[in-house]
Amino acid sequence: GENVEQHPSTLSVQEGDSAVIKCTYSDSASNYFPWYKQELGKRPQLIIDIRSNVGEKKDQRIAVTLNKTAKHFSLHITETQPEDSAVYFCAASDGNKLVFGAGTILRVKS
Amino acid sequence: NAGVTQTPKFQVLKTGQSMTLQCAQDMNHNSMYWYRQDPGMGLRLIYYSASEGTTDKGEVPNGYNVSRLNKREFSLRLESAAPSQTSVYFCASIPGRNQETQYFGPGTRLLVL
Repeated sequence: GENVEQHPSTLSVQEGDSAVIKCTYSDSASNYFPWYKQELGKRPQLIIDIRSNVGEKKDQRIAVTLNKTAKHFSLHITETQPEDSAVYFCAASDGNKLVFGAGTILRVKS
Repeated sequence: NAGVTQTPKFQVLKTGQSMTLQCAQDMNHNSMYWYRQDPGMGLRLIYYSASEGTTDKGEVPNGYNVSRLNKREFSLRLESAAPSQTSVYFCASIPGRNQETQYFGPGTRLLVL
């Protein structure tokens, strides 16, 4: 089955700097890759997703890139703000269910 | 719309006790999911239901059973709780059958002593 690895497990950045989180997946048939943000004590919420027919997608300060050949995808957050502090999860879909990475704790220091 | 709701919010059980976690969605979604979340391990799929009347095992189904009671409701049952089942449980749903935004419930925090 699908296996998703996520790095780093924790990331600290200074406010205004960029943050990059990387994920790799194992199943070449996966073709949907969402990213979820989870604030402390809250439920996960989708922040951006990308499908395999697209190499990059951007939404304001957030962007995701996908390299299908290498089977990895990344989340890029520019101009980080304190409210970006949260746990971020990547995931890959094998068709009817998602497999999640272990998560990255992002701390934005002001 | 309330979205995805879960009850209870918090529960303490003794080893060997049974309980059912309830999940309901009012968005007319077809597919529903149960996950558990443990520190450092992300969200792991327990069971899912791609449509009313069907259920399938996920990554960690042992010790759990599910029922898709109707299109709205998807319950998770622990027949004999074990300390290893201490976790936060999330229910989620999607409109279709695959590859869409998952809408999560607020979670149920379960402690098994």
